[in-house]
Amino acid sequence: GENVEQHPSTLSVQEGDSAVIKCTYSDSASNYFPWYKQELGKRPQLIIDIRSNVGEKKDQRIAVTLNKTAKHFSLHITETQPEDSAVYFCAASKGSNYKLTFGKGTLLTVNP
Amino acid sequence: GAVVSQHPSWVICKSGTSVKIECRSLDFQATTMFWYRQFPKQSLMLMATSNEGSKATYEQGVEKDKFLINHASLTLSTLTVTSAHPEDSSFYICSARAIGQPQHFGDGTRLSIL
Repeated sequence: GENVEQHPSTLSVQEGDSAVIKCTYSDSASNYFPWYKQELGKRPQLIIDIRSNVGEKKDQRIAVTLNKTAKHFSLHITETQPEDSAVYFCAASKGSNYKLTFGKGTLLTVNP
Repeated sequence: GAVVSQHPSWVICKSGTSVKIECRSLDFQATTMFWYRQFPKQSLMLMATSNEGSKATYEQGVEKDKFLINHASLTLSTLTVTSAHPEDSSFYICSARAIGQPQHFGDGTRLSIL
């Protein structure tokens, strides 16, 4: 089955800096890669996703890049703000109609 | 759009009782719902996948008779933890999706078995 590795497990940055979270996946058939943000005690919320037919997707301060050959994808957050502090999960699946395999999560702390 | 409601948000009950958790898609038809378990500071572990009108598909290691899943309509799935014991205490969270759409999560249910 699919295995998703996520690094780092914790990340602390100063407000205004950029944050990068990286994930690798094992199943070359995976073609859908969402990122979720989970604040303490709350539901995971989809913040961005990418499909394997594109290499990069951007939405304001958030971007995701995908390298299919290397089987890794990354989340980039620019101009970080304290409200970006949360746990971020990457995930992979063989399409949005299939089950997701999640990474272990990254606790991002943005210090004011 | 894409709101998923989960109820109850918190349950405390005695060992040996059964607990039912509901997951509803409020503004879309959820052809598939997923049930996860999340331990503190850990990732989401998929327990089962539930398609409307079909039997749920359980992940390896998840007891079907322990965690009963019903998905009787396109907007409702239920998870029943039968004869719950302290080791079943956890955060249970559902997600739902329409065909071709991303998964959207409920707020989760914190289950504490005394």
